[in-house]
Amino acid sequence: DAGVTQSPTHLIKTRGQQVTLRCSPKSGHDTVSWYQQALGQGPQFIFQYYEEEERQRGNFPDRFSGHQFPNYSSELNVNALLLGDSALYLCASSLLDPYNEQFFGPGTRLTVL
Amino acid sequence: DAKTTQPNSMESNEEEPVHLPCNHSTISGTDYIHWYRQLPSQGPEYVIHGLTSNVNNRMASLAIAEDRKSSTLILHRATLRDAAVYYCILRRPSGSARQLTFGSGTQLTVLP
Repeated sequence: DAGVTQSPTHLIKTRGQQVTLRCSPKSGHDTVSWYQQALGQGPQFIFQYYEEEERQRGNFPDRFSGHQFPNYSSELNVNALLLGDSALYLCASSLLDPYNEQFFGPGTRLTVL
Repeated sequence: DAKTTQPNSMESNEEEPVHLPCNHSTISGTDYIHWYRQLPSQGPEYVIHGLTSNVNNRMASLAIAEDRKSSTLILHRATLRDAAVYYCILRRPSGSARQLTFGSGTQLTVLP
């Protein structure tokens, strides 16, 4: 059983560009959450998707947007990239019950130059 | 949301027990205590969670103080593979429980 997969592994962009990151949840999971982890810090919650809708959002600007597809996979889009967007972006999948364990992927390392 | 406080770093010798403390003095009666860990170059992984009673699983034990203002994650025999950042997280029974609110965690170093 494949766990949570993310692509790409690494990505380099320049300021002002746009980026799309992808996530496939663990088999059987219907909920996907995205987190941003800056170097040396704990992950910060961006948003969560269930039934193709954003269910909860953290303190991130509208430049961060997402999508969930009927097969439960998800994308994270970031527009107008800033240097401060350089981070590890983690995807986690779970079942909707908020106390269910979240399973994390290995992340996508985004570098903005 | 209630906040947790953990030491920045701890060291342990291989094959010895490790006790990782977490203070959560403003915990509410319905907050669950969750622990996740993040191995180098990996995403976080679930370790254990509990509400009031002590909990055991194949990875670790969770000891919760009677007043619930603190808890301790216990690794019974540390291995080199247990070197990771350990996060203590409170989850409240509301919509916000959907998210995990990570602090800075405790960096555990296991010495051979």
